[in-house]
Amino acid sequence: AQSVAQPEDQVNVAEGNPLTVKCTYSVSGNPYLFWYVQYPNRGLQFLLKYITGDNLVKGSYGFEAEFNKSQTSFHLKKPSALVSDSALYFCAVRDMRRSASKIIFGSGTRLSIRP
Amino acid sequence: KAGVTQTPRYLIKTRGQQVTLSCSPISGHRSVSWYQQTPGQGLQFLFEYFSETQRNKGNFPGRFSGRQFSNSRSEMNVSTLELGDSALYLCASSLRISGGSETQYFGPGTRLLVL
Repeated sequence: AQSVAQPEDQVNVAEGNPLTVKCTYSVSGNPYLFWYVQYPNRGLQFLLKYITGDNLVKGSYGFEAEFNKSQTSFHLKKPSALVSDSALYFCAVRDMRRSASKIIFGSGTRLSIRP
Repeated sequence: KAGVTQTPRYLIKTRGQQVTLSCSPISGHRSVSWYQQTPGQGLQFLFEYFSETQRNKGNFPGRFSGRQFSNSRSEMNVSTLELGDSALYLCASSLRISGGSETQYFGPGTRLLVL
């Protein structure tokens, strides 16, 4: 069965500092991995996804994520945090081997950037 | 191109009533998925429709149902509402059936409060 874990409920970072939001996954085969962001009273917005190839994926708003197969991780990163990055972040996984498999979301990590 | 739209945005119902939520996907998208988001359970997959057929279903009781019309618009119905059905209901659309690397685009959600 596929699963995804976001071990931190909340991450606090000072503006201008680098940020990392952690995600680990478990699938039977190879994964498709996604990051979404949710601002208050809004739906989820797509940030980036890993399909295959380069382990470093670049996405919207200056975010990037690194796929690490040996550690089954897909951590979201940004070199310099902005206050406007404060939001709820979701990691999601889908099993590559199953063409119609459901996407499974992590529990979410609330990112708080202090000025 | 307009995004995914959901109506209504807010809804208050009482226990035992039924409710119908509507979702209009991005133009050209043929797949619509529904999710329930609650603080306790996070994001949970309800069902997916593609070409007017339900293609995938989550672990929800039969009180939750849906349908898709020929123009890809989708409705979700919840009968005999319970207090625990209070949640943000999110709709997501994608070009093709949401398998593999397909990206889903989310609407702003309908916030349902059951009293």
